[in-house]
Amino acid sequence: NAGVTQTPKFQVLKTGQSMTLQCAQDMNHNSMYWYRQDPGMGLRLIYYSASEGTTDKGEVPNGYNVSRLNKREFSLRLESAAPSQTSVYFCASGVWGWAYEQYFGPGTRLTVT
Amino acid sequence: KQEVTQIPAALSVPEGENLVLNCSFTDSAIYNLQWFRQDPGKGLTSLLLIQSSQREQTSGRLNASLDKSSGRSTLYIAASQPGDSATYLCAVRPRSNYQLIWGAGTKLIIKP
Repeated sequence: NAGVTQTPKFQVLKTGQSMTLQCAQDMNHNSMYWYRQDPGMGLRLIYYSASEGTTDKGEVPNGYNVSRLNKREFSLRLESAAPSQTSVYFCASGVWGWAYEQYFGPGTRLTVT
Repeated sequence: KQEVTQIPAALSVPEGENLVLNCSFTDSAIYNLQWFRQDPGKGLTSLLLIQSSQREQTSGRLNASLDKSSGRSTLYIAASQPGDSATYLCAVRPRSNYQLIWGAGTKLIIKP
């Protein structure tokens, strides 16, 4: 049981390049999330998917797009990377409900130069 | 707007001491509050989840309390060990929406 997996673990991009961060979970969770974590700040929600086939914006969606490919996979795309998107990105999954918990992947450290 | 604050940002204590980490939030209308542990290069691990109707939760040497009226939660770690060194984050789920609102974390170092 791998839980939540993310690829890649590290990535360096030049300004203007694009890339997709991949996330997969094997816990049969219906909801999935993408967060970014910056130094001295709490995690901030970028996008989430409450269930397969739906996606919604979180607190900081600008510059990102997402795809809920199926129940297991939720990808995050940066179409034109900017230095302000240098961050650690976490994917999480959970069961939608009043007492839900979220389970996190190991993160992707992205640097945009 | 709900805001979550964790003070101090960093804490260093000798092994064996009991310690308390603090989390405060501005809006008492919450569903629950969670404490997470984050190790360098790894994801976050949920430690304890307290429902809004509960006062505390315990797991091994960890005890988390919740006082909604004052907007505070504490994480008590008994008999600290070097393996407890990590960053501890708290997050609240407001009643008004689905999102978790996160504190910036307390980086804890336990000195052998």
